[in-house]
Amino acid sequence: DAGVTQSPTHLIKTRGQQVTLRCSPKSGHDTVSWYQQALGQGPQFIFQYYEEEERQRGNFPDRFSGHQFPNYSSELNVNALLLGDSALYLCASSLDSLANYGYTFGSGTRLTVV
Amino acid sequence: QKEVEQDPGPLSVPEGAIVSLNCTYSNSAFQYFMWYRQYSRKGPELLMYTYSSGNKEDGRFTAQVDKSSKYISLFIRDSQPSDSATYLCAMSAMVSNFGNEKLTFGTGTRLTIIP
Repeated sequence: DAGVTQSPTHLIKTRGQQVTLRCSPKSGHDTVSWYQQALGQGPQFIFQYYEEEERQRGNFPDRFSGHQFPNYSSELNVNALLLGDSALYLCASSLDSLANYGYTFGSGTRLTVV
Repeated sequence: QKEVEQDPGPLSVPEGAIVSLNCTYSNSAFQYFMWYRQYSRKGPELLMYTYSSGNKEDGRFTAQVDKSSKYISLFIRDSQPSDSATYLCAMSAMVSNFGNEKLTFGTGTRLTIIP
């Protein structure tokens, strides 16, 4: 049973560029959440997608946007990259009916902005 | 002030020792409390899950929640070198009209078990 799959695993971008990260949720899960984990910090909630709509959003600027597809996979887009966007981006999937339980995280995408 | 405070460590203990990890929080709305383990270059892995106050035991791991003090703990008995990792506490509020509320994490405590 495949867990959460994220791609790419590593990425280097230049300031001002745009980036797209991808996530395939665990089989049977229908909800995808994205988190940003800066070095030495805990993950911070970016947003959550359910039924192809953004359902909750954390304290992140509009440069961060996302999408969920009918097969529940998801993309995270970041525009106008800043040096401070360098972090590990984690995707977590869950089943909507299992409230607050059973989040499965992927191994993340390490984004470096130079 | 952060909603969830966690001592970042690092914490080093000899193999076989009892490890105590703690978090404090300020948001009274938190009802669900979790501990995640994160190995280097990996995503967080759920270790323990507790709803509201009380204790929960799973093998060598015990999670405690004291909502009156806004304080949660994770104890690891008979610690092993394979327990070396970063331990993250995470919390979420009561479900409203959403199925899954967002998680608020602590900064993580880096733990090393010395053989």
